[in-house]
Amino acid sequence: QAQLVQSGAEVKKPGASVKVFCRASGYTFTDYGVTWVRQAPGQGLEWMGWIIAYNGHTDCARKFQGRVTMTTDTSMSTAYMELRSLGSDDTALYYCARADIVATIAAFDIWGQGTMVTVSS
Amino acid sequence: SYELTQPPSVSVSPGQTASITCSGDKLGDKYASWYQQKPGQSPVLVIYQNTKRPSGVPERFSGSNSGNTATLTISGTQAMDEADYYCQAWDSSSVVFGGGTKLTVL
Repeated sequence: QAQLVQSGAEVKKPGASVKVFCRASGYTFTDYGVTWVRQAPGQGLEWMGWIIAYNGHTDCARKFQGRVTMTTDTSMSTAYMELRSLGSDDTALYYCARADIVATIAAFDIWGQGTMVTVSS
Repeated sequence: SYELTQPPSVSVSPGQTASITCSGDKLGDKYASWYQQKPGQSPVLVIYQNTKRPSGVPERFSGSNSGNTATLTISGTQAMDEADYYCQAWDSSSVVFGGGTKLTVL
């Protein structure tokens, strides 16, 4: 069955960067997009952006523009999200999810297990 | 920027119907999705394109969207439905989530 497996937990210092991967299996990777959503401890879901796997088109939440890079490696069926200039408020659980390729539908039907990123000096 | 507003909490008795609302400007002109999240687990899509249920989601979950309000309805609520629920919509090349509603079944 379709699934997404994410990289393991990370601990970073303020100002550093983090790169999280999301490996897809059980479906044709290029038929969908991959979205990134984060959740700070005890808080709600926050959309970061998404990438269409077959052409690399991205949309990013205004809050993260200039600080986040989303890429894919279609040969590995893997998506990557890099977040730079980390601050303590970036401490969160980062999820990837499979996204319908029609952006306006915005249905995220398969989710990874989440990657905890902790930013601490 | 676009905002979606949900009540922080909703309570329901087992077997009764729970309704969770999500409000946003002209939300009825957009597609609304709903996610269920239980403690320590990843979110699960329960409704998309306003009314559609992914395979595996029980029939007791239904959705509607009109005007400025989308509603998630859970008929015959069960104890296992206790969770946080988030609405979501796409607006101007961006996805927006509501703040979430904690559903308590008591």
